[in-house]
Amino acid sequence: EADIYQTPRYLVIGTGKKITLECSQTMGHDKMYWYQQDPGMELHLIHYSYGVNSTEKGDLSSESTVSRIRTEHFPLTLESARPSHTSQYLCASSSDRVENTGELFFGEGSRLTVL
Amino acid sequence: AQSVSQHNHHVILSEAASLELGCNYSYGGTVNLFWYVQYPGQHLQLLLKYFSGDPLVKGIKGFEAEFIKSKFSFNLRKPSVQWSDTAEYFCAVNARAAGNKLTFGGGTRVLVKP
Repeated sequence: EADIYQTPRYLVIGTGKKITLECSQTMGHDKMYWYQQDPGMELHLIHYSYGVNSTEKGDLSSESTVSRIRTEHFPLTLESARPSHTSQYLCASSSDRVENTGELFFGEGSRLTVL
Repeated sequence: AQSVSQHNHHVILSEAASLELGCNYSYGGTVNLFWYVQYPGQHLQLLLKYFSGDPLVKGIKGFEAEFIKSKFSFNLRKPSVQWSDTAEYFCAVNARAAGNKLTFGGGTRVLVKP
């Protein structure tokens, strides 16, 4: 069972509000990721981190930002939410071990609705 | 653009039927291949993976997948499905050509009728 947690699971919020989606893992993984998934669509990588104080943009451009001050936490922030940000956000982590390259452990997701 | 393609978006079948989900990728060179599954209301979890060796990989719950390098394919199979196999299935590829970041296909939603 993966030990990666996301909060909130569901969030409905008005346009212009600032939101932070929390993600934490207890597996000691250095690598963490945020994916965005719209219904019926593929997962798109929006941010990743390979360790503390390391963050990178993913393949899909996103107005969100992330931080990695501690190994176990990788929060995602939207400064001013808009309806176009409505989506499901999935956090994941992975080990550095070579034999696990590419194997991700996922949280249960945060479903964001912006009105 | 390089990508991962899953040919079927939705599959509906009856219990005991056989299942095969197609996955093709366009990356050259070394690849690691995965199938992830998301059961209703649950998080994505690994079903099986291929790194090297025997191209026929066996995973959990009776699933298997075959890597055919010449066809750039990694199709998922199960000889006899159960109602509990109702889920969304995602193929994913980790390729050096893509900076070793995992790229997902669009997913296939499978509904098994009891």
